[in-house]
Amino acid sequence: DVVLTQSPATLSVTPGERISLSCRASESVDTYLHWYQQKPNESPRLLIKYASQSISGIPSRFSGSGSGTDFTLSINGVELEDLSIYYCQQGNSLPRTFGAGTKLELK
Amino acid sequence: QVQLKESGPGLVQPSETLSLTCTVSGFSLTSYGVNWVRQPPGKGLEWMGTIWNDGSTDYNSALKSRLSISRDTSKSQVFLKMNSLQTEDTAIYLCAREDYYDGSFAYWGQGTLVTVSS
Repeated sequence: DVVLTQSPATLSVTPGERISLSCRASESVDTYLHWYQQKPNESPRLLIKYASQSISGIPSRFSGSGSGTDFTLSINGVELEDLSIYYCQQGNSLPRTFGAGTKLELK
Repeated sequence: QVQLKESGPGLVQPSETLSLTCTVSGFSLTSYGVNWVRQPPGKGLEWMGTIWNDGSTDYNSALKSRLSISRDTSKSQVFLKMNSLQTEDTAIYLCAREDYYDGSFAYWGQGTLVTVSS
């Protein structure tokens, strides 16, 4: 099974700053790596697919990069509404797997 | 528009069987796969299994012996059955549509909380 390791587990942020979240795979997933945002009591929302492909309706401050085993989700100018948990997920092989998540909190 | 909605009992007794339904609209089950994902309270996401557009299934090996996913295409419904429930199976259970090409989940149901307790 592909293990996805997200870091950091928690990130304290100040509105307006640029931040990066990491997701590392235990083996190559090519670019079949996707990012989700989950707010309390809500279902996950797809933010980025194929490592770097933007999704309609998602603010342009969210971007993704990477391939193989190392991936990054960046938020350029964090807003208060971005305080959530972010998960990565791989769609390259079965079983589908998720990272443990990175929680963004207010500094 | 694409919608998925889970339904089922909120409370299940230990050792009993869980039965959940995911009712979809806005797409055909013969065109897209539907996955089940669960999330224990305050914890992360766990993929449980999928039923593909051709009706074949794949399961998380940790759950395979207890889990069955099936569907009724005429009713646009996907079913989850899991037996021998224990307290650690307490979770929000979500269904999600999988993109055929990249394995991403663009559409999710709202989730249903299942509590395993006597």
